[in-house]
Amino acid sequence: GENVEQHPSTLSVQEGDSAVIKCTYSDSASNYFPWYKQELGKGPQLIIDIRSNVGEKKDQRIAVTLNKTAKHFSLHITETQPEDSAVYFCAASNTGGGADGLTFGKGTHLIIQP
Amino acid sequence: GAGVSQSPSNKVTEKGKDVELRCDPISGHTALYWYRQSLGQGLEFLIYFQGNSAPDKSGLPSDRFSAERTGGSVSTLTIQRTQQEDSAVYLCASRAGRSNTEAFFGQGTRLTVV
Repeated sequence: GENVEQHPSTLSVQEGDSAVIKCTYSDSASNYFPWYKQELGKGPQLIIDIRSNVGEKKDQRIAVTLNKTAKHFSLHITETQPEDSAVYFCAASNTGGGADGLTFGKGTHLIIQP
Repeated sequence: GAGVSQSPSNKVTEKGKDVELRCDPISGHTALYWYRQSLGQGLEFLIYFQGNSAPDKSGLPSDRFSAERTGGSVSTLTIQRTQQEDSAVYLCASRAGRSNTEAFFGQGTRLTVV
């Protein structure tokens, strides 16, 4: 089955700086890569996703890049703000054939220092 | 509301007792997932339901864990003879179908085994 590795486990950046979180996946058939943000006491919420037919996607201060050859994808947050502090999870999914699993990385605790 | 609803939000049980956790997915969503999140940890996949297909039970940690989904809607996760290591937040998510769509999470049930 799919295996998703996520790094780093904790990331501390100064407010206003950029943050980058990286993930690798093992199943070359995976074709959908969402990123979730989890705030304390809440369930994870989708913040951005990318399909395998594109290499990059942006939404305001957030961007995701995908390298299918290397089987890795990254989340980039620019001009970080205190409200960006949370745990971020990457995931990989293969929606082809009969499988539709959603495998998550172990999460990155992002801390924005004022 | 239109989101994923989980109940109870908190459950304290004595070691050895059975517990049932409930998930009401978003209406019309055919895919339903259960995950376990231990304190400060990532999302551990437990079980996945897709329509009328046989569930993917590959993540269930032991035969004390079981889940069912009645009528393709509400799901119940049952843990028999609970152990202290079962203490965690149990998260449910639903998804519209196979086509790269967003998974929506509930708030989770915090289970404490004493």
